[in-house]
Amino acid sequence: DSGVTQTPKHLITATGQRVTLRCSPRSGDLSVYWYQQSLDQGLQFLIQYYNGEERAKGNILERFSAQQFPDLHSELNLSSLELGDSALYFCASRRGTGHTEAFFGQGTRLTVV
Amino acid sequence: DAKTTQPPSMDCAEGRAANLPCNHSTISGNEYVYWYRQIHSQGPQYIIHGLKNNETNEMASLIITEDRKSSTLILPHATLRDTAVYYCIVRFGNQFYFGTGTSLTVIP
Repeated sequence: DSGVTQTPKHLITATGQRVTLRCSPRSGDLSVYWYQQSLDQGLQFLIQYYNGEERAKGNILERFSAQQFPDLHSELNLSSLELGDSALYFCASRRGTGHTEAFFGQGTRLTVV
Repeated sequence: DAKTTQPPSMDCAEGRAANLPCNHSTISGNEYVYWYRQIHSQGPQYIIHGLKNNETNEMASLIITEDRKSSTLILPHATLRDTAVYYCIVRFGNQFYFGTGTSLTVIP
């Protein structure tokens, strides 16, 4: 158990809908990262937050947004969903300082039908 | 971030050492090398990281060449549960960028 909790584990929704994925980082971790992994693809970095502020953006679509709340949990919002958005979405957290490792949650499997 | 190159797949006999290579020829002086693995569709699992000295922990050893342009992850006694995709990542600052990794299959 990495200590990073993601909910829900599975999500099935229709095209055009909007969903919210939730991530609770490890206790004391200030950085949260979001990644997308499509079928048989590598992990694509989406976005990073540190202590409530956006720190870096990767290949995140304009239909996607994220935020980190004062209690440090994070949410990834996906809107106007398309079939191609079906993927595993992973959250990772890190202490935030120095050369420390990041710990990943078990992911949310999103299926858009 | 420096780009990494890994072989797409490797096999290893159970009980033998698995040596997974990674090239990162454009690495800069303050970039660390990290290794993660992903078993099936689970969340990536941290293995080890280092800057220039060889590192060892309970899971693996990391050997970084003197010029830091390549590294090798060593699993000393591979088991069937080590079958996974192994990612070598060169990181500076805050981001971890994953490449395509090496799919390691441990054979009984």
